[in-house]
Amino acid sequence: KQEVTQIPAALSVPEGENLVLNCSFTDSAIYNLQWFRQDPGKGLTSLLLIQSSQREQTSGRLNASLDKSSGRSTLYIAASQPGDSATYLCAVEGSNYKLTFGKGTLLTVNP
Amino acid sequence: EAGVVQSPRYKIIEKKQPVVFWCNPISGHNTLYWYLQNLGQGPELLIRYENEEAVDDSQLPKDRFSAERLKGVDSTLKIQPAELGDSAVYLCASSLSAGSSGANVLTFGAGSRLTVL
Repeated sequence: KQEVTQIPAALSVPEGENLVLNCSFTDSAIYNLQWFRQDPGKGLTSLLLIQSSQREQTSGRLNASLDKSSGRSTLYIAASQPGDSATYLCAVEGSNYKLTFGKGTLLTVNP
Repeated sequence: EAGVVQSPRYKIIEKKQPVVFWCNPISGHNTLYWYLQNLGQGPELLIRYENEEAVDDSQLPKDRFSAERLKGVDSTLKIQPAELGDSAVYLCASSLSAGSSGANVLTFGAGSRLTVL
């Protein structure tokens, strides 16, 4: 059974700081890994999707990497802003097209 | 373009009462998902539809939960009777098609928050 772990559970940083969120998974037989953002009381917004054959994806100030063999991914956020405050969720899609989510990292960026 | 639309956004019911959630996916999206999200947890899949066929309902508690996707578009999720432990957020998501070359991007609705008293 696939298990996804996210570290840290919560992170508080001052505005402008670069930061890294970590995600690990137990079964490397995945189709892709996705990072989502969830604002309080809202649904999930897809940020980045890394296919199993890829090593990283970038979108603006966000960069996600994937090391499938070691079961790890990182989400790098450059020059953080207060508007980046949210919960960030990592999810892996397995061979049955099922997304398994971690519990998320609650990020607070202080002005 | 409207995203995934869910209703109601909030529902408070007494235990043992029924409740129905409705989801309208993005037009043209063949795959529809219902997820359950408990407080402080990641979403967990309840059921996945490909068009009108439920292709993965292994996580759906079938004694009290049922779902439909009529005509392969809108979907409903019904709980009857509701229990205290069912209090959670029920998320609907859709995608073009699962298995689309490993690039299956899901779009989520805002969710339906259920409180069972």
